Amino acid sequence: TQLLEQSPQFLSIQEGENLTVYCNSSSVFSSLQWYRQEPGEGPVLLVTVVTGGEVKKLKRLTFQFGDARKDSSLHITAAQPGDTGLYLCAGVQGGKLIFGQGTELSVKP
Amino acid sequence: DARVTQTPRDKVTEMGQEVTMRCQPILGHNTVFWYRQTMKQGLELLAYFRNRAPLDDSGMPKDRFSAEMPDATLATLKIQPSEPRDSAVYFCASAPSGGQGVSYEQYFGPGTRLTVT
Repeated sequence: TQLLEQSPQFLSIQEGENLTVYCNSSSVFSSLQWYRQEPGEGPVLLVTVVTGGEVKKLKRLTFQFGDARKDSSLHITAAQPGDTGLYLCAGVQGGKLIFGQGTELSVKP
Repeated sequence: DARVTQTPRDKVTEMGQEVTMRCQPILGHNTVFWYRQTMKQGLELLAYFRNRAPLDDSGMPKDRFSAEMPDATLATLKIQPSEPRDSAVYFCASAPSGGQGVSYEQYFGPGTRLTVT
């Protein structure tokens, strides 16, 4: 059983479409991070959200932390092929970073 | 452009052989993590160090895995003897000091892809 459940696991869309990826847990996290990983590379930190209800924007990416600090979402507007990759959420709990299984996103031109 | 470096990038070895993976953290980062990534389990924390001292290695099979930091510029992960189930990508990450436990900012290396036949 994963502490952090991400959905969907796979997502294939056309360039220009919008999408939302979810990260859910029954546990409370002191903070939550989103990473993007490209093939053959390590994950790269995109954002950290700390306060319940917090919304952060990074160009076309919008990140939201749930009010109860148990879940988070990543919304991408007008997806581009360069957005293709594995998106991982990770929660800080008990002094450790716990990762979700990831959402594999493919954006076709 | 400061980066975490890992060597080797790829390693193929036979079951029973010793494997050593190396990591050079970003200069000035005092916290180093070792992760393992597989399709089945995703990204799992194996161990981490702060100021070269091991803080947590509960995610690491103790009988065959060992992690050390001989100095501030080198972290090693050793598997002896290796088994086919150890096949995975092993990532090292480093972080600047962020207070207690895990820093908010972890910088990952490119990984070592290990295949044990």
